[in-house]
Amino acid sequence: DVKVTQSSRYLVKRTGEKVFLECVQDMDHENMFWYRQDPGLGLRLIYFSYDVKMKEKGDIPEGYSVSREKKERFSLILESASTNQTSMYLCASSSPGRNGANVLTFGAGSRLTVL
Amino acid sequence: QKEVEQNSGPLSVPEGAIASLNCTYSDRVSQSFFWYRQYSGKSPELIMSIYSNGDKEDGRFTAQLNKASQYVSLLIRDSQPSDSATYLCAVTYGNNRLAFGKGNQVVVIP
Repeated sequence: DVKVTQSSRYLVKRTGEKVFLECVQDMDHENMFWYRQDPGLGLRLIYFSYDVKMKEKGDIPEGYSVSREKKERFSLILESASTNQTSMYLCASSSPGRNGANVLTFGAGSRLTVL
Repeated sequence: QKEVEQNSGPLSVPEGAIASLNCTYSDRVSQSFFWYRQYSGKSPELIMSIYSNGDKEDGRFTAQLNKASQYVSLLIRDSQPSDSATYLCAVTYGNNRLAFGKGNQVVVIP
């Protein structure tokens, strides 16, 4: 089975701190994604990457950046954390399914609280 | 962002009954559709995918797709307490992106 590992399950940071969320997958998948999940808003795509050093903005990229230096690792960076970035962050990876669609496998999530 | 709507509130069903979940989407060119299940405190896991109009059955789950009407549904037959979870509809759009609905909570009452 594909394993997607997120380095931190729970984090508490202060406003203005730089935050790194790390994600590693072990199945040689080309595609990796970062979502955030908030009550009443569902899952929203922040950034995704379809190859090493390639990245594409999702629907809510503001305040975030990403890094993909190796195929198995995709990092989400909050340059200056703010309280409205308190959320559950979910990393996912995929290989193309039928019709080129992505079948996502998610990590366990990182719950970030910004004080 | 493309719209994926799951408008029903929490759904309570007795054990053994059928749970029916509906989802509508806005992008007419979407080709791939998924249902994910998310237990409380856990991450989503894929339970069904469907690409063609009609029904697709997998065990107690049946996904139904109607592209003309832009809706996809999920039926859970013989509902079990272990089916109590939030079910997320997901639809592809653009460059292999997935848009998710906000989810429907299902509670199976023993």
